Amino acid sequence: ETGVTQSPTHLIKTRGQQVTLRCSSQSGHNTVSWYQQALGQGPQFIFQYYREEENGRGNFPPRFSGLQFPNYSSELNVNALELDDSALYLCASSLGGAGIIQYFGAGTRLSVL
Amino acid sequence: QKEVEQDPGPLSVPEGAIVSLNCTYSNSAFQYFMWYRQYSRKGPELLMYTYSSGNKEDGRFTAQVDKSSKYISLFIRDSQPSDSATYLCAMSANLQGGSEKLVFGKGTKLTVNP
Repeated sequence: ETGVTQSPTHLIKTRGQQVTLRCSSQSGHNTVSWYQQALGQGPQFIFQYYREEENGRGNFPPRFSGLQFPNYSSELNVNALELDDSALYLCASSLGGAGIIQYFGAGTRLSVL
Repeated sequence: QKEVEQDPGPLSVPEGAIVSLNCTYSNSAFQYFMWYRQYSRKGPELLMYTYSSGNKEDGRFTAQVDKSSKYISLFIRDSQPSDSATYLCAMSANLQGGSEKLVFGKGTKLTVNP
């Protein structure tokens, strides 16, 4: 176990709704990255937070947004859900701004109907 | 062309076989090379990481990097049924401020049959 916890485990939403996913990073880790993993694909980088600031963003639209809190936990928010947003959402924590060695949680499986 | 290419398999081998998993990449700026193992309905688990070209061994696992050919491999010796999982290669790429993101291959699904 990595010590990275995500909630909820599963979520079902309908198109157009909004969703918030949560992540608690491993103790001592101050960097959190979010990834989207579609079925049969590798994880795709969404964005990264370091010391409560967005530190980089992948090719995802603005309706994907996030937050990091002073205790380094993080949220991923997705507005106006689309069917293609159905995926496993993974949170990874790492130490320091470099964040090379990232430890993943078990993910939140989101289904959009 | 995708930045990281990985044959998705599936790959099925008998117990005890030597398994070879491979990825190619196009971005010469990638610095760190990793292999993650992902069991069904779980998050990726870091197996090994390397920085320079050459080999790195950890028990039954050997990671190999050839930066000149932009090619990385993971070898599993004496494969066990418990090795059955999807194996993801990943490479680190710079973000602003000196941070890194990971760029993954699609993953190769491996089944080791008893």
